[in-house]
Amino acid sequence: SAVISQKPSRDICQRGTSLTIQCQVDSQVTMMFWYRQQPGQSLTLIATANQGSEATYESGFVIDKFPISRPNLTFSTLTVSNMSPEDSSIYLCSVERATLNTEAFFGQGTRLTVV
Amino acid sequence: GENVEQHPSTLSVQEGDSAVIKCTYSDSASNYFPWYKQELGKRPQLIIDIRSNVGEKKDQRIAVTLNKTAKHFSLHITETQPEDSAVYFCASNRDDKIIFGKGTRLHILP
Repeated sequence: SAVISQKPSRDICQRGTSLTIQCQVDSQVTMMFWYRQQPGQSLTLIATANQGSEATYESGFVIDKFPISRPNLTFSTLTVSNMSPEDSSIYLCSVERATLNTEAFFGQGTRLTVV
Repeated sequence: GENVEQHPSTLSVQEGDSAVIKCTYSDSASNYFPWYKQELGKRPQLIIDIRSNVGEKKDQRIAVTLNKTAKHFSLHITETQPEDSAVYFCASNRDDKIIFGKGTRLHILP
């Protein structure tokens, strides 16, 4: 299994500011993903972080709001920009082994509260 | 895109009884179907998965069945225990991505 370190674990931010969440994996992985989990809800895929190219965003999510970096095969960041209270959620990074087994492993999540 | 429907949204069963959660998917190209358990305040953890080349897989008290023709798959938990109380998510793959159902909150009643 992959060990994923995600930080910060939680933060309280003022509206209008930005927060960058980091995700570090203990091994090289091809695919890294960012999910959002609103309170009591399921996991919604925000984007796929591609190493060496721009992230691929899902419907309803845009790069200006959620810029993503993927400088190498073990690290990625997600920024939540110009935050509003509606952005209060848990954000999780995930990796999958790009082999026959596509099991997804998750970081411990970042609980974001925007006030 | 892939759509994963899950039901029920909430399920209460007596301790020792069985629990069944059902999901359907829309993309006939999907070939990987994992189930995740999420306890309160924790990250989702994979509990069992199944690939499209098999119809059933079992791991102790947990089993998953898959009907590719009907595009549905189910999670079965037998002899439920208090520690089984959690939210369970089914999922399927779409290309290289994992798409999740809306989740089932399982309550094990004493």
